Amino acid sequence: EGQLVESGGGLVQPRRSLRLSCEASGFTLRDYEMNWVRQAPGKGLEWLGYISTNTRTIYADSVKGRFTVSRDNDRNSVYLVMNDLRVDDTAIYYCAREDSNPWHDDFDTWGQGTLVTVSS
Amino acid sequence: EIVMTQFPATLSVSPGERATLSCRASQSITKNLAWYHQKPGRAPSLLVFGASTRATGVPARFSGSGSGTEFTLTINSLQSDDFAVYYCQQYNNWPRTFGQGTKVEI
Repeated sequence: EGQLVESGGGLVQPRRSLRLSCEASGFTLRDYEMNWVRQAPGKGLEWLGYISTNTRTIYADSVKGRFTVSRDNDRNSVYLVMNDLRVDDTAIYYCAREDSNPWHDDFDTWGQGTLVTVSS
Repeated sequence: EIVMTQFPATLSVSPGERATLSCRASQSITKNLAWYHQKPGRAPSLLVFGASTRATGVPARFSGSGSGTEFTLTINSLQSDDFAVYYCQQYNNWPRTFGQGTKVEI
């Protein structure tokens, strides 16, 4: 089981920064690898980034160098810091937990998402 | 990057009928494929992982098959709750990639 709740979205001007949070409950966050996925209005799903249990990170090319994923297991939270935001970063941002099965990296739990709107 | 292609883009089905959704990978991903569905205004939800294993609580009318580059999600006896957008996702390589989705509509 388990639940994820994202927060921190809102309206932000282009070239500004924003930090999203994803708070976990009902499971031990330190035992799980985590991801961020976004969905632009009316579009499909785009994977953004990953953080392992030992804080190794991997990013999509589209956000590499601008977005940073981190985690604070003591606060049961994962974060996405987004710098130099662009209008086309406007989307719902989801955090997603990876399956605990070592053979499968599907996303078995998703948060409800937080909307980020980049506009002047 | 592995490109995931889903077809058809839209599938019109009547309640009680069977729906067959396809997903093709641009290179082999063995069986490292998941299927999700997403209802309007909601987050995606896992249906199938490992190409053919139903996630916990997913009804038996959902079945996944395939390996390598060709995959299928079959929904038998469609119910009203099943009308949604369905996405496939590969987790064999980085970056993780999703198909563009198939909308199953009445």
